[in-house]
Amino acid sequence: KQEVTQIPAALSVPEGENLVLNCSFTDSAIYNLQWFRQDPGKGLTSLLLIQSSQREQTSGRLNASLDKSSGRSTLYIAASQPGDSATYLCAVHTGNQFYFGTGTSLTVIP
Amino acid sequence: DTAVSQTPKYLVTQMGNDKSIKCEQNLGHDTMYWYKQDSKKFLKIMFSYNNKELIINETVPNRFSPKSPDKAHLNLHINSLELGDSAVYFCASSQEALQGASTDTQYFGPGTRLTVL
Repeated sequence: KQEVTQIPAALSVPEGENLVLNCSFTDSAIYNLQWFRQDPGKGLTSLLLIQSSQREQTSGRLNASLDKSSGRSTLYIAASQPGDSATYLCAVHTGNQFYFGTGTSLTVIP
Repeated sequence: DTAVSQTPKYLVTQMGNDKSIKCEQNLGHDTMYWYKQDSKKFLKIMFSYNNKELIINETVPNRFSPKSPDKAHLNLHINSLELGDSAVYFCASSQEALQGASTDTQYFGPGTRLTVL
């Protein structure tokens, strides 16, 4: 069964820093991997989706990479801003299921 | 216009009651989902419907029953509520069924916070 882990569970950085969030999964047989953002009391917003055949996707200050063979994905956030403060979740699509990680709670300090 | 909407946003009820949460999507998607997010923020899929047919039914108590009157709606009915049912329930939708859809993005509703007293 697929297990998705995110490290660290919480991260606090000063504004302007670049940072990396990590996601690992145990079964490399995936269709895609998706990164979401969840604000307190809100639903999830999709940030980036990487197909299994791709190695990375970029959107603005966000860059997500995927290494299927090692079961890892990273979300790189450049020049962090206080508005980036949220919980970031990765989700793996296995073809018949979505498996979510437990998330990384990010705080960007002004 | 809200893509995926849920009602109510908050639900507080007594143990033993029966309640329903409604979900609607206006994206024209074929597949809808219900997720439960516990107090530790862990999201777990409960049900998935594709074109009004159940395609995923994870191990949830049979007190939970999804109902899909049409492709745009997937409601969640819960009988005999228990304290452990307290959580945030999210509805989501995607364009295609899970199998073989490598480009599929899920769109989530805002969540329903259920508190069972």
